[in-house]
Amino acid sequence: KAGVTQTPRYLIKTRGQQVTLSCSPISGHRSVSWYQQTPGQGLQFLFEYFSETQRNKGNFPGRFSGRQFSNSRSEMNVSTLELGDSALYLCASSPGTGGGGYTFGSGTRLTVV
Amino acid sequence: SQQGEEDPQALSIQEGENATMNCSYKTSINNLQWYRQNSGRGLVHLILIRSNEREKHSGRLRVTLDTSKKSSSLLITASRAADTASYFCATDESGGYNKLIFGAGTRLAVHP
Repeated sequence: KAGVTQTPRYLIKTRGQQVTLSCSPISGHRSVSWYQQTPGQGLQFLFEYFSETQRNKGNFPGRFSGRQFSNSRSEMNVSTLELGDSALYLCASSPGTGGGGYTFGSGTRLTVV
Repeated sequence: SQQGEEDPQALSIQEGENATMNCSYKTSINNLQWYRQNSGRGLVHLILIRSNEREKHSGRLRVTLDTSKKSSSLLITASRAADTASYFCATDESGGYNKLIFGAGTRLAVHP
């Protein structure tokens, strides 16, 4: 079966702009969670969506938001980009019932200049 | 914030040797998982151990979990050059919804 698809793979944006990243989970999986990876802070949880509802949110400013569609595809948006938002953004797919492993996408590498 | 720490931060070994990585965490967990990441790409799920398990094997991987010490170890036996990657432990907290808390990771280099 197809894996987790994240688009785009690479993105360069200017400070102050906004960006939207997309994640298509494994077919049948209803949960999508997002993570930010930076050299300084490591892997940090952003938020998790299940059946179009945000169930959990990490400690990130309100500039970071997300949503999930009825087909389980998810988008995350970052507004008013800052240099510190440069990171690898990873999404993870799971059935959503908890207790199992997660399948990650290859990530979107965002560079803010 | 990250759940805990991993050590060592970096490990360099020869092919055929065993590699051991350790992970500590802070809160009660449902399970602990190990992931591999090659060169800043996506994470690959390796193995999951539940809080009521003490040891688990998968191929050349052996994971132990000590909930009294809030620690886990990952052993890779007979390492290969292809095992060169970063390895992360991640905990799935009790009562948390699909929220993984990651350690800082161990960079493993296996030399031919």
